Amino acid sequence: SQTIHQWPATLVQPVGSPLSLECTVEGTSNPNLYWYRQAAGRGLQLLFYSVGIGQISSEVPQNLSASRPQDRQFILSSKKLLLSDSGFYLCAWRGQIEAFFGQGTRLTVV
Amino acid sequence: GIQVEQSPPDLILQEGANSTLRCNFSDSVNNLQWFHQNPWGQLINLFYIPSGTKQNGRLSATTVATERYSLLYISSSQTTDSGVYFCAGHNAGNMLTFGGGTRLMVKP
Repeated sequence: SQTIHQWPATLVQPVGSPLSLECTVEGTSNPNLYWYRQAAGRGLQLLFYSVGIGQISSEVPQNLSASRPQDRQFILSSKKLLLSDSGFYLCAWRGQIEAFFGQGTRLTVV
Repeated sequence: GIQVEQSPPDLILQEGANSTLRCNFSDSVNNLQWFHQNPWGQLINLFYIPSGTKQNGRLSATTVATERYSLLYISSSQTTDSGVYFCAGHNAGNMLTFGGGTRLMVKP
């Protein structure tokens, strides 16, 4: 069966520090992969999605970037975090039918 | 692009009551999912329902694709049903767009 791993679960980072969040999927190949951000406990904003290795689509101009170095690995990064980057980040994968989500990373920028 | 709207934004129920949550979506949506976000933030898949009706225990969902809406029914609500309910639409371009959610509180 397919599983999705996302880490870390929580993260506290100072303003101006770099960020790297990793998401991996097991049990499937060539999935669509997504990064979402949720602020203030409501509404999921699509940040990036990928339909294959090296293929990244960005939905919103951000202080963030994404990469897909391997088929089942999706990384969210920032060179310098801003206070406004705080939030709950969720990774998701989709095969042929429905999408499934990881546990999420709660990021607090201080 | 995809547009997904949910109503009501907030809902308070007494335990045992029934409720209906609505999701309207644009004509570029070709598949629909319902999720429940628990208090720990985890998104739980409820239904994948591009059309028709499905039931799972006390929950059921109906999507009328020709009229571009979907309904989630919760019967005999329990306190554990509390949380935020999201619908999300897929399009042919692999985007998955969420509605704003319905925050449900079930009181004992």
